[in-house]
Amino acid sequence: GAGVSQTPSNKVTEKGKYVELRCDPISGHTALYWYRQSLGQGPEFLIYFQGTGAADDSGLPNDRFFAVRPEGSVSTLKIQRTERGDSAVYLCASSPGRTSGVQETQYFGPGTRLLVL
Amino acid sequence: KNEVEQSPQNLTAQEGEFITINCSYSVGISALHWLQQHPGGGIVSLFMLSSGKKKHGRLIATINIQEKHSSLHITASHPRDSAVYICAVRGSGGTSYGKLTFGQGTILTVHP
Repeated sequence: GAGVSQTPSNKVTEKGKYVELRCDPISGHTALYWYRQSLGQGPEFLIYFQGTGAADDSGLPNDRFFAVRPEGSVSTLKIQRTERGDSAVYLCASSPGRTSGVQETQYFGPGTRLLVL
Repeated sequence: KNEVEQSPQNLTAQEGEFITINCSYSVGISALHWLQQHPGGGIVSLFMLSSGKKKHGRLIATINIQEKHSSLHITASHPRDSAVYICAVRGSGGTSYGKLTFGQGTILTVHP
């Protein structure tokens, strides 16, 4: 079956602009995660959804960052007033969800490379 | 100090060598993941461990919960093993249950 997909694969924008990054999880996966990976670093947690609700948004760096998952499948990460420091690869992952009762592997998408000029 | 520390940061080996990458963590966990990331590519999960040892092909992962330490071993290394290997831990409860905390990664280069 299809894996996690993310669009766009690359996004170049100017400082101050608004961007939206999309994640399509594996069908049926209730848990969805957003991570950010800066060059040469390991990924950093941003936000975790269980179904439609954000179970943990402690990793969002500031109020310019927001994510939604209105129907419990596709998620959109929204960044307002982008800054050069937001340039990174934004990774999405999904897993079956806590109610599955099994320890869960997270399946990662290919990422969206965001460059803020 | 980061919650998840990997060593070494960079590792160069000759084809056929036995490779070990180490991961230490300082928080309570429910599971530890070893991930592989190729240049320009996505992340692939290699192992998920909560105790003991797992083996898949030439890859072996071990974890010592008491010592908060895990190792990833590659036997008979091959140039196609060249990648970044990342250790990540999953929180042990509450809202931290789902999220992963990552190490900085180990860049492995295997020369023919």
